[in-house]
Amino acid sequence: ELKVEQNPLFLSMQEGKNYTIYCNYSTTSDRLYWYRQDPGKSLESLFVLLSNGAVKQEGRLMASLDTKARLSTLHITAAVHDLSATYFCAVDFPPGSQGNLIFGKGTKLSVKP
Amino acid sequence: DAGVTQSPTHLIKTRGQQVTLRCSPKSGHDTVSWYQQALGQGPQFIFQYYEEEERQRGNFPDRFSGHQFPNYSSELNVNALLLGDSALYLCASSRDYGYTFGSGTRLTVV
Repeated sequence: ELKVEQNPLFLSMQEGKNYTIYCNYSTTSDRLYWYRQDPGKSLESLFVLLSNGAVKQEGRLMASLDTKARLSTLHITAAVHDLSATYFCAVDFPPGSQGNLIFGKGTKLSVKP
Repeated sequence: DAGVTQSPTHLIKTRGQQVTLRCSPKSGHDTVSWYQQALGQGPQFIFQYYEEEERQRGNFPDRFSGHQFPNYSSELNVNALLLGDSALYLCASSRDYGYTFGSGTRLTVV
């Protein structure tokens, strides 16, 4: 059974601190997506990681992909309140296709002053 | 450049009724996928349409059906609504790789 597991599911951070969200997946997919969702809103694409070793950065967020370990990380640097949201990782299924996306359960991030 | 447009934004229906949700894909995108997101959960894949045909389907009953039109827009139909069908329904369009999501339709079944 294909699984996408995120941890932690809930994360309360103080502003200025660093933290990492982990995404493990059970398929051989070499394509991984990170999305942000604000309450009651749709999904905003953050990163698309297309190959092993891919690293992408945007502002205080940096995502990486290790396809051999089937692991992606989303690193948050010097968190600010505006980053409070739920973050989802997802993989294509079947792997390598433009198929459906299998999502993790999401990590609800709360950044407190 | 318009993104993915969904309508309506909110909808309240009674158990047993039928509902149709609509999606216009991003310009240049030819593939439309539909997802159901229950409160506090990640989106679940319903089905995907390409060239007016259902290309892939998730684990949803036949009460969920869809259609894609020649202009790539799509509809999601749900028959015999159940309370458990209450959710945010998201449409995503794509071409090659990468998905753009619409703002969703919030369906409440009472």
